[in-house]
Amino acid sequence: RKEVEQDPGPFNVPEGATVAFNCTYSNSASQSFFWYRQDCRKEPKLLMSVYSSGNEDGRFTAQLNRASQYISLLIRDSKLSDSATYLCVVNAPPNTGGFKTIFGAGTRLFVKA
Amino acid sequence: NAGVTQTPKFRILKIGQSMTLQCTQDMNHNYMYWYRQDPGMGLKLIYYSVGAGITDKGEVPNGYNVSRSTTEDFPLRLELAAPSQTSVYFCASSYLLEGADGYTFGSGTRLTVV
Repeated sequence: RKEVEQDPGPFNVPEGATVAFNCTYSNSASQSFFWYRQDCRKEPKLLMSVYSSGNEDGRFTAQLNRASQYISLLIRDSKLSDSATYLCVVNAPPNTGGFKTIFGAGTRLFVKA
Repeated sequence: NAGVTQTPKFRILKIGQSMTLQCTQDMNHNYMYWYRQDPGMGLKLIYYSVGAGITDKGEVPNGYNVSRSTTEDFPLRLELAAPSQTSVYFCASSYLLEGADGYTFGSGTRLTVV
């Protein structure tokens, strides 16, 4: 099983749609979770952190489900500018014998007019 | 505020050649990283540094070397380039270790080894 797994997509949605992505992780002791956005041929940029209580930033909502070991990203009222690849990032707990930030391969989203 | 600056943006190398990818950050971050990104794969950590003079291997360090003489600079050296090193390379920095506060990435170097 991959340490961090994402549905690669692509997800093709019309403008105004609501779309959700999930990301599963294998290490139950993982502590920090993030969503990054990566535009085509650009660097990843932090979209939002994912807290145990969930968090919301405008049209974006991130949730963490520790019992089932996944995080989710919900985008409401999709815009053309939301078209990008969304990367799930998971940090292993400290003192595990080394550096362990794991990037998912990403989920591609296309929003069409 | 430039953030993380990488040069060059593109490079084509012949097998066996060497090159240095430059990375500079102006945010006074202690932690710096080099990642590579291959199609359909998550970013893989090559090397990282927790401060000037201190570096350590990541997941895929073979064929690469780094140095960290100052807080600002973290160059990545490729010796004897191989086709397997064809990839997009990203330098990143963070205030907290393991990007617990989020990574700031440079714009990337697209390297092709032929």
